[in-house]
Amino acid sequence: EVQLVESGGGLVQPGGSLRLSCSASGFTFSTYTMHWVRQTPGKRLEYVSVISGDGGSTFYADSVKGRFTISRDNSKNTLYLQMSSLRAEDTAVYYCVKDVIMIVGAFDIWGQGTLVTVSS
Amino acid sequence: DFVMTQSPEYLAVSLGERATINCKSSQTLLYSSNNKNYLAWYQQKPGQPPKLLIYWASTRESGVPDRFSGSGSGIDFTLTISSLQAEDVAVYYCQQYYSTPYTFGQGTKLEIK
Repeated sequence: EVQLVESGGGLVQPGGSLRLSCSASGFTFSTYTMHWVRQTPGKRLEYVSVISGDGGSTFYADSVKGRFTISRDNSKNTLYLQMSSLRAEDTAVYYCVKDVIMIVGAFDIWGQGTLVTVSS
Repeated sequence: DFVMTQSPEYLAVSLGERATINCKSSQTLLYSSNNKNYLAWYQQKPGQPPKLLIYWASTRESGVPDRFSGSGSGIDFTLTISSLQAEDVAVYYCQQYYSTPYTFGQGTKLEIK
């Protein structure tokens, strides 16, 4: 069964840092581009970041550029999102998502999400 | 960035009736070299992550009931549920994957009338 399991969320103060992890199973992780998408408390879905299968190419939404870093360890089938200089507006459920095979950007598998709350 | 606008924001339909949700992109999602529209539809039920229903604007994901269909091209798209079932109560989102950052519509909440 194809599965994505996120972890690492929690309550953090403004300006703080947090690292999210996403453990993948049931598919050949290294051959897939992987993404992070977040859902705000108002239920809006926002695209955060993407990383290529070999980790050599990344992209960030303007709202997180310079503060978030996406990475992956293909030997561990794990995707990461290092978040720093966190702001209240980063409060959201963060989802790790996988592409439909050969279609970058259409997401067929979503994790259950991990909640990040930025508040003092 | 591409702006995706859905209508209506709320929709109430009787069981067995047709439900129609619209999605409009600020720019074309039709890629001329392959004649494909880079548009997906998702369904999200409370407490669950979004679930992919449709990609390439009209290709149903494996396992999705055939009462769900997608249509449209360019900037205007539609998700149709031909005969509403109780389990279809959810929020529906469209999403463009033509260009990063991939963007989503604001969602349409579908309820039973």
